[in-house]
Amino acid sequence: GAGVSQTPSNKVTEKGKYVELRCDPISGHTALYWYRQSLGQGPEFLIYFQGTGAADDSGLPNDRFFAVRPEGSVSTLKIQRTERGDSAVYLCASSLLGQGNSPLHFGNGTRLTVT
Amino acid sequence: GNSVTQMEGPVTLSEEAFLTINCTYTATGYPSLFWYVQYPGEGLQLLLKATKADDKGSNKGFEATYRKETTSFHLEKGSVQVSDSAVYFCALEPIQGAQKLVFGQGTRLTINP
Repeated sequence: GAGVSQTPSNKVTEKGKYVELRCDPISGHTALYWYRQSLGQGPEFLIYFQGTGAADDSGLPNDRFFAVRPEGSVSTLKIQRTERGDSAVYLCASSLLGQGNSPLHFGNGTRLTVT
Repeated sequence: GNSVTQMEGPVTLSEEAFLTINCTYTATGYPSLFWYVQYPGEGLQLLLKATKADDKGSNKGFEATYRKETTSFHLEKGSVQVSDSAVYFCALEPIQGAQKLVFGQGTRLTINP
């Protein structure tokens, strides 16, 4: 079956611009996570949704970052006034229940480059 | 705080060699521990996990044992194959079940035929 789908796979934008990154989780998965992976580093947690609500947004680095999941399925990560330091691979993951016994399924990520 | 430190890469081995990738962690409480693998062009996949001290996780010939006394979760495989070439990430889940993972920096493994 279909896995977690992220679009676009690559995004190049200029400093100061606004970008949106999309995540389509596995159908029926209630939990959705965003992580950010900088070059040479492991993924870092950004935000977690259970259904439509953000259950934990403690990893968002500042108020330029925002994410929504209005219908409890597709999620969009929004970055305002992008900076060169935002360049990274943004990973989305979903799980059936958001609990330890339902494994996380990761997408291939969106590589964001801010020039 | 919570953190994971992995053996620096890249690691290059010949086929059928023995593999160890070291991982140590710092955590409060009783975390779950994981190894994830990222094959070229693919997303992160769970390789194995352990949820309590002395548990051994295993999958595809890989093993790792949760050692609370040494705060370690080293990944081992007795005989590697070219298809094992990938980036391996050690991770911990500070609050069991919350799936808010803390990852190490990753170790790139290349297996030569």
